[in-house]
Amino acid sequence: SAVISQKPSRDICQRGTSLTIQCQVDSQVTMMFWYRQQPGQSLTLIATANQGSEATYESGFVIDKFPISRPNLTFSTLTVSNMSPEDSSIYLCSVESGADEKLFFGSGTQLSVL
Amino acid sequence: GENVEQHPSTLSVQEGDSAVIKCTYSDSASNYFPWYKQELGKGPQLIIDIRSNVGEKKDQRIAVTLNKTAKHFSLHITETQPEDSAVYFCAASIKNSGYALNFGKGTSLLVTP
Repeated sequence: SAVISQKPSRDICQRGTSLTIQCQVDSQVTMMFWYRQQPGQSLTLIATANQGSEATYESGFVIDKFPISRPNLTFSTLTVSNMSPEDSSIYLCSVESGADEKLFFGSGTQLSVL
Repeated sequence: GENVEQHPSTLSVQEGDSAVIKCTYSDSASNYFPWYKQELGKGPQLIIDIRSNVGEKKDQRIAVTLNKTAKHFSLHITETQPEDSAVYFCAASIKNSGYALNFGKGTSLLVTP
């Protein structure tokens, strides 16, 4: 399976600021996804990060709030912009392992917004 | 969006007993059904998965069954151990989204010695 490194692992931020989360994979992958997990809740897909084109956002998520970069096949970033306490969540990067056709997750970024 | 329903939300079993978690899905185009285990402070870990061309899959103490006609699938853990205690999530693939998934709300499993 792919090894996924996500950072920061946690952060405490002030409202109105922005945080960029990085996701690095140890192999080239076609599909990368960003999920949000609110406290005690399930995982919700934010967007699919496409290499060479704009990310595809799910209903309820917009590019201005969650801009995503995918400069190559091993790296992606998610920015949480103009944060409010409601953005306090775990943000998870996931990748599809092409050989196994399975979805694997990073360890997540625990974000707290004061 | 399409929903995945998961039951129960909490489950407590004695060590050595079996645990069963059930999920239903609504998108008839879903064809991939993984199960994840999430321990506190960690990301979800894939433990087993099944595709719509099979009805059952087993890996040591863990098994998954799929009934595509009824749109439900289940996770079975036998001979449970305290280290099985975690939150378990079922998921179903999202139509036309590659391997993006819709997740159930999770089951908090507690295995008591």
